[in-house]
Amino acid sequence: RKEVEQDPGPFNVPEGATVAFNCTYSNSASQSFFWYRQDCRKEPKLLMSVYSSGNEDGRFTAQLNRASQYISLLIRDSKLSDSATYLCVSEPSGGYNKLIFGAGTRLAVHP
Amino acid sequence: GAVVSQHPSWVICKSGTSVKIECRSLDFQATTMFWYRQFPKQSLMLMATSNEGSKATYEQGVEKDKFLINHASLTLSTLTVTSAHPEDSSFYICSARGLAGESYNEQFFGPGTRLTVL
Repeated sequence: RKEVEQDPGPFNVPEGATVAFNCTYSNSASQSFFWYRQDCRKEPKLLMSVYSSGNEDGRFTAQLNRASQYISLLIRDSKLSDSATYLCVSEPSGGYNKLIFGAGTRLAVHP
Repeated sequence: GAVVSQHPSWVICKSGTSVKIECRSLDFQATTMFWYRQFPKQSLMLMATSNEGSKATYEQGVEKDKFLINHASLTLSTLTVTSAHPEDSSFYICSARGLAGESYNEQFFGPGTRLTVL
């Protein structure tokens, strides 16, 4: 079983739509979680960290449910520029900053 | 923000040759650098963790004699793919963790190196 699992998609949505991505992780000792965005043939870029209390950054909202070992990302009012692959990432405790990446969920926003 | 560069951005080589990839932190000192590999439509897989002045720590299944890592300074780590074969063709990405300050816990990624072995 992969440590971080995501639905690969693709999610094809029109501009303005709200879309949600889910992710599960298997290591209950993982301490920190992140969402990264990766454009085609580019490096991943940090989108936001994920906190137990939930956090919001503009149109993006991230949630963490430790009991279910589940992480989500909600994107409201989708823009064409949101088209990318979204990577769910966990950082195991005591792992010296090792990051465990999910395979990513592809989002395509169309006009 | 912190900038990490990689060189070359792409390389095509013949089977059996060795390829060296450089990863530099341009505006900060990085005690730790990480090397990842990403095959098409797959996740980034950590290959090794490189600490300045010490031997790299390799992940399970990664051959240390094939993927040589050198982290000689706080701003430079190199990955050498020795005797490359077509199955080594992949996207190699490095990241660097800052020494101190606000960037201490965040990893900053380089733009990646696309390796194609013929």
